[in-house]
Amino acid sequence: GAGVSQTPSNKVTEKGKYVELRCDPISGHTALYWYRQSLGQGPEFLIYFQGTGAADDSGLPNDRFFAVRPEGSVSTLKIQRTERGDSAVYLCASSPSGTANEQFFGPGTRLTVL
Amino acid sequence: SQKIEQNSEALNIQEGKTATLTCNYTNYSPAYLQWYRQDPGRGPVFLLLIRENEKEKRKERLKVTFDTTLKQSLFHITASQPADSATYLCALVRISGYALNFGKGTSLLVTP
Repeated sequence: GAGVSQTPSNKVTEKGKYVELRCDPISGHTALYWYRQSLGQGPEFLIYFQGTGAADDSGLPNDRFFAVRPEGSVSTLKIQRTERGDSAVYLCASSPSGTANEQFFGPGTRLTVL
Repeated sequence: SQKIEQNSEALNIQEGKTATLTCNYTNYSPAYLQWYRQDPGRGPVFLLLIRENEKEKRKERLKVTFDTTLKQSLFHITASQPADSATYLCALVRISGYALNFGKGTSLLVTP
């Protein structure tokens, strides 16, 4: 399996709790992206990493959302004080570099905030 | 504000016909545009990329056109098959030049 993997596949939490979503990109891909997809909508950009650094975090909706990629491979999206409106599928994608390349998406993590 | 619009209604066609999906955008000057396919419960899968200086791109039964004057891309699937049934997403590169801005997608159903 050389594709992008995401864990967990499903996460149910209660309002106000903290969650972490993990993404394992394709080995060797330096660019990593997080998107959020609500029902009936296209994916919405959250943050882009080039290597270990967040090159563009302009899509993060507020300061409850944070993401890291400490070693330039695995990334974790962290959401504090979850709200019902955070419920969505969180998609991770990677590409060989941050240029006009196709992006390889993982299957997503479905987050449900009760 | 920047907008990407795709056919909001589902497209139903008969097997063997050509499916044509539309992507219109406003307040954008994209360097390139991509089309993805998404099946229920799965992440999008890349299909084709077309650059602003390219009018048309083909790959097997797929064809994409890009008209920067009309601010429109058309996506064609010829000799459609039931296995082509899925949601098709149009995506433009963001101003940052890296991440993608997606349309809502168009659902295609090909019936035998």
